[in-house]
Amino acid sequence: SQTIHQWPATLVQPVGSPLSLECTVEGTSNPNLYWYRQAAGRGLQLLFYSVGIGQISSEVPQNLSASRPQDRQFILSSKKLLLSDSGFYLCAWSPGQASANEKLFFGSGTQLSVL
Amino acid sequence: AQSVAQPEDQVNVAEGNPLTVKCTYSVSGNPYLFWYVQYPNRGLQFLLKYITGDNLVKGSYGFEAEFNKSQTSFHLKKPSALVSDSALYFCAPSSSNYQLIWGAGTKLIIKP
Repeated sequence: SQTIHQWPATLVQPVGSPLSLECTVEGTSNPNLYWYRQAAGRGLQLLFYSVGIGQISSEVPQNLSASRPQDRQFILSSKKLLLSDSGFYLCAWSPGQASANEKLFFGSGTQLSVL
Repeated sequence: AQSVAQPEDQVNVAEGNPLTVKCTYSVSGNPYLFWYVQYPNRGLQFLLKYITGDNLVKGSYGFEAEFNKSQTSFHLKKPSALVSDSALYFCAPSSSNYQLIWGAGTKLIIKP
C-alpha cells in the first residue's frame, strides 16, 4: 500500500534562517506531488506541484522554493524565512498521469512557527 | 474567476441529528467535486467525490453529498451525526487546469 511521510511534525525557526521540509511517498511510482500551506487552520493554498523529477510548477510567487530530486521525494525550502512563512504545511500526492478525478493523499503536516 | 464558497464558518449539530455542510461553486465546464475532512493537527482525508451519474454520492464514515447542477451546489450530508464527526470539512471542485479549488472550510461541531 502507498504511504506518505512528511517531517518534521513541528518546527520553530528564527526569522532569516533557512528551511527544509521533506516529503517522501512509498508504494507508488511517478506520483504527482504537491505542497500546500494552510493558514490559521483554514483554507489551503497550493504552493508547488510536480508531475516528474525536476519538474516544478509554482502557483504563487513567494519566499519559498521546491525541488524534486528523486521520483518520490519532494522538498520545500527557503533561504531566509519571514514571519509570514508561519503556517501548517501539507505535502500530498496523487497517482501519476492522473486525471482531474483522482483524489489527493495528504501527509500529516508540518507546523512551522517563524519567530 | 473560478471560486468555491462554504458559506458557514461553523455548523453546530446535536449528536444523532442530521447534518448538512453547504458548498456552492463557480467553475467553468463540468468540474469534478470533492469533499475532504481534517481532524485537529492532521492532514486532510478524502471523503467522497462526484464525477458523473447519480446526484447522490456516498462516501466514507456514512457521509453523502448531493450534487445540484442548476444550483452549482454540492452539499455534504449525514443522516445521524456522531461526536467523532467533529472536524474541519473542505469542499474542493476541480478547476479547468485540473487543480483543486479549495473552500475556506467549515468547522463542524457535534455536541453530545
